[in-house]
Amino acid sequence: NAGVTQTPKFQVLKTGQSMTLQCAQDMNHNSMYWYRQDPGMGLRLIYYSASEGTTDKGEVPNGYNVSRLNKREFSLRLESAAPSQTSVYFCASRIFSGRLTYEQYFGPGTRLTVT
Amino acid sequence: RKEVEQDPGPFNVPEGATVAFNCTYSNSASQSFFWYRQDCRKEPKLLMSVYSSGNEDGRFTAQLNRASQYISLLIRDSKLSDSATYLCVVNRDSGGGADGLTFGKGTHLIIQP
Repeated sequence: NAGVTQTPKFQVLKTGQSMTLQCAQDMNHNSMYWYRQDPGMGLRLIYYSASEGTTDKGEVPNGYNVSRLNKREFSLRLESAAPSQTSVYFCASRIFSGRLTYEQYFGPGTRLTVT
Repeated sequence: RKEVEQDPGPFNVPEGATVAFNCTYSNSASQSFFWYRQDCRKEPKLLMSVYSSGNEDGRFTAQLNRASQYISLLIRDSKLSDSATYLCVVNRDSGGGADGLTFGKGTHLIIQP
């Protein structure tokens, strides 16, 4: 049971390049999330997917797109990378029941630098 | 008032001491509360959930005060390995939304030998 996995672990991009961050979970969770973490800013929600087939914007969605490919996989795409998107990106998943809130489990993160 | 507020620290504490930190939250409708631990350059990991009656897990005790809207974490007999950033986490609403949890910015704890 691998939990939440993310690829790649590290990436350096030039301004204007595009890339997709991959995330997969094997815990049969229905909800998945993408966060970014910057020094002094804490974790900020970019996008989330409550269930397969749905996605919604979080606090900081500009410059990103997501795809919930199936129940296991949730990808984050940067179409035209900017230096302001230099950050650590975490994917997370959890069970969402609509009534109870369960804890989230995080992947190991992707460290992205945009030059 | 920010959604979840924590003292960023750092708290410098000698090994073996007891340390406590609080977190305040703004949404009175929040129902679920957690403490996460994050080591340097690693992902956050669940330390413990926080229940209304308070709960203990070994050297760690969590308390919830709904009237004053704060939760606390107490660490007894601190170890060098307790050095980390502790994130206070609160659900965004009364549980009906899927948009997850609100994370505090964390309290940095350094245990000194």
